[in-house]
Amino acid sequence: DTGVSQDPRHKITKRGQNVTFRCDPISEHNRLYWYRQTLGQGPEFLTYFQNEAQLEKSRLLSDRFSAERPKGSFSTLEIQRTEQGDSAMYLCASSPPGANEKLFFGSGTQLSVL
Amino acid sequence: LAKTTQPISMDSYEGQEVNITCSHNNIATNDYITWYQQFPSQGPRFIIQGYKTKVTNEVASLFIPADRKSSTLSLPRVSLSDTAVYYCLVGDIGNTGKLIFGQGTTLQVKP
Repeated sequence: DTGVSQDPRHKITKRGQNVTFRCDPISEHNRLYWYRQTLGQGPEFLTYFQNEAQLEKSRLLSDRFSAERPKGSFSTLEIQRTEQGDSAMYLCASSPPGANEKLFFGSGTQLSVL
Repeated sequence: LAKTTQPISMDSYEGQEVNITCSHNNIATNDYITWYQQFPSQGPRFIIQGYKTKVTNEVASLFIPADRKSSTLSLPRVSLSDTAVYYCLVGDIGNTGKLIFGQGTTLQVKP
């Protein structure tokens, strides 16, 4: 399967701890996106990369959140000093050149902050 | 970015055709209309995309009137496995780099 892969699928952590999620996009896709989704709501845009450049960040992405995409391949999303309000599904998506509205999503990482 | 309005929920029965309409009065010239489907505990899945008139693929049809201020996703002969949340999105991601999801329409297909 060469779809978007996210790791881990589930993460339980205690408030104040740091967590890091990984996303491996489809190999030829140049754009990579992070979204966050809470129960009953649609996904909320967090940030996106074109190759290795982070081109846009939502104001939802506080200074406790940081995302990287070294070498334009996989991406990591780190949350420092987690809070209970960070509990959500974190979704990664990628899109190929020229088909930007067609995003391919991974299955997400479900974060629970206790 | 154009805001979309769609029903919060819909019910249907197996074998029926389901039409979900989305309003996007402020759609811009360069905006495309894209629909996604999401099952529980999975990421959204692209269904169909259009700019104007009618688009059809193996999954659904998308009807867009001339003024483009609304669109209708049509699912023929739904089955129980079509129970999901359906999102209508409008945007020009080439410029903004992001798609904005609303709350979507929860479709419940009953036997």
